[in-house]
Formats: sequence, C-alpha cells, structure tokens
Amino acid sequence: ETGVTQTPRHLVMGMTNKKSLKCEQHLGHNAMYWYKQSAKKPLELMFVYSLEERVENNSVPSRFSPECPNSSHLFLHLHTLQPEDSALYLCASSQEVTGQLYGYTFGSGTRLTVV
Amino acid sequence: AQSVTQLDSQVPVFEEAPVELRCNYSSSVSVYLFWYVQYPNQGLQLLLKYLSGSTLVESINGFEAEFNKSQTSFHLRKPSVHISDTAEYFCAVSGSGGYQKVTFGTGTKLQVIP
Repeated sequence: ETGVTQTPRHLVMGMTNKKSLKCEQHLGHNAMYWYKQSAKKPLELMFVYSLEERVENNSVPSRFSPECPNSSHLFLHLHTLQPEDSALYLCASSQEVTGQLYGYTFGSGTRLTVV
Repeated sequence: AQSVTQLDSQVPVFEEAPVELRCNYSSSVSVYLFWYVQYPNQGLQLLLKYLSGSTLVESINGFEAEFNKSQTSFHLRKPSVHISDTAEYFCAVSGSGGYQKVTFGTGTKLQVIP
C-alpha cells in the first residue's frame, strides 16, 4: 500500500470515551502532521513530528495526545472530548520538516463525531 | 505572521467555461505559495506551487496560477473546466527558508455544472 493511510475513516464517540486515530505513511517521509478541518475554517495545524520528535504543538487541548513511535506511524489519542471537537482530522507527511518546498501528502482523514 | 484569504466560499461554473479562484495572502517575509485540491471524501493533494522564478506556474491538468507580489495574490485559473474539476480548492502560504509553518485558507468549493 502506498501514500498516507488513516484509520478509521469514521468515528462516533461519546464524551467520556477514549479512542485513537491512526496514520501510516509508506513514502519514506520523516515528518508527520495532524491537522483539524472544520467547516468554513482554515485547516488548523495541531502537531508536527520530525524524526519522531514533536517540533510543534499549536496550543492544542490536553484531551488530544499525539504519539509517534516511528517515522511511519502517527497516532492521535482522544479522551473526554467535547462536541466542538467534531471535525475531519487529517494526517499528512513530508520529506522533512521543510516540506513546504515539496508539498505535503495527506491522508483521506477520519471524520470524528462527538456525541 | 502570515494569513491567507479566499473570499469566495463557493464558485459555480458551467462546464467548458473559464474559472478563476481568488487567493490573497499577507506576510512580512518572502513566501512560498501553494494550491491544494480536495476531492470528495479524500485528503488534500498538491495541485501546484510557486517557490521562485517564473511567476506563472502550471499543473498537469490545465490549471495555472500567477504570483503577483504587488497585489499579494496567487489566483488560480483554468480556461475550460470539466465536471471532474468539481472539488474544494485550498490556497496556502509559507515563509521561505528553514522550517516554516504552512497556513491554509478556508477553501473554495468549485461546482462545475453540466
């Protein structure tokens, strides 16, 4: 399988649940990103990992917890979410943290609904 | 700080007609500019980019964008659209050099009408 794969594609969870989003890239990239896409808002950068180390955390609430065990996998652990956290969560990867030169490769996203 | 403005949230256009999707940016430093496309139920894909050199850049599927520094714009154009161009288009900007955050606009939905 090639590209960036995100699972699950859809997730419905209650506010007291704990769940995880998974992202896997098969491109040999060494930087990975989590973005939040809400209707009528710009994409919000949440976390950036370069060589498995977090290099940016954009003031994201602690109910979102990222994990990057290796350069091919990225997780987003969710707990005690709020309804306003419902959105499309996109994972992306790039050749390196200066990936703006080459563009990002995005996954298809996980559509999260918090009830 | 940098920002991107896409004033049009939706643009309907008839098939085979020309289209222009507008993008304006603000930045205090030199920039790189991008257009991404998102088809239904998919992630974003890089359509084209401006890094330096010629201010007119083209994609493989007939889109082009022109960097206009004086007007701080990077509008996307296509002379004749197809049904398959129906998608959401995002303009993005980053600073040049070193690690620079990429800032995306709110997107423009292009609806091609048969």
